[in-house]
Amino acid sequence: AQSVTQLGSHVSVSEGALVLLRCNYSSSVPPYLFWYVQYPNQGLQLLLKYTTGATLVKGINGFEAEFKKSETSFHLTKPSAHMSDAAEYFCAVSETGANNLFFGTGTRLTVIP
Amino acid sequence: GAVVSQHPSRVICKSGTSVKIECRSLDFQATTMFWYRQFPKKSLMLMATSNEGSKATYEQGVEKDKFLINHASLTLSTLTVTSAHPEDSSFYICSARLAGVLTQYFGPGTRLTVL
Repeated sequence: AQSVTQLGSHVSVSEGALVLLRCNYSSSVPPYLFWYVQYPNQGLQLLLKYTTGATLVKGINGFEAEFKKSETSFHLTKPSAHMSDAAEYFCAVSETGANNLFFGTGTRLTVIP
Repeated sequence: GAVVSQHPSRVICKSGTSVKIECRSLDFQATTMFWYRQFPKKSLMLMATSNEGSKATYEQGVEKDKFLINHASLTLSTLTVTSAHPEDSSFYICSARLAGVLTQYFGPGTRLTVL
C-alpha cells in the first residue's frame, strides 16, 4: 500500500529565504514521486517528478527535490522564496507502472514580504 | 501544451438533482482520465479511472451508480453526480494522461455545492 505524509500543513517563510517542504512516503515497490503546486482556484501543476536515475530532480520555478530511499523522503526545496511561490503544494506517489497517484494532504506555503 | 479544462467551474444545485461535470483535454488526446475529489484541508482522493471507450474503474468506497463516468472520446470525460445530496458538496478535479506517458495533467476543478 502507498501513502504520503506531508509534515506541516502550513509553512511560512520570508521572501528570499530557503523553502523546505517535507514529504515522506511508503511504497512496497520502487515509487514514482511527484510534487504538484495548486494556486487558488486553479488546477494542479506539475513542479517535478522522480522516476529513475538521478536522485536530485530539478523542476520549474527554481524548485528541486531529492529522492532519499533510505529515509523514504522526497523533500521539496527552493533556495530563495518569491512572493509568487505562495500556493498549496502536494506531494504524490505512484507505484511503478501503476495508474494511480496517491496524494499527501498538502502544505500551504506563505511568503512574507 | 497539455491543457485540461473543466466545466462548469462552480455549480450550485438542489438536493435530489443531478449534475454533470465535463473534463476536456484541449490540445492532446487523453487515453486515460482520472476523477478526484478534494475535501477542505484534505488531499485529493482518487474516485475513478476511465479509459476511452471502456467502463470506468472505481476506487473502493465510491458508488458507481451515484458517480457516473463516461469517457466517450479521447478528449472528453464526464462525471455525473446523480441525486446529489449536501454531503456530495466538494471540489471535483479531473486529470488526463497520454498513452504511455506517466504525467497527469489536471483541470482547474469544479466546486459543487448541494443545498
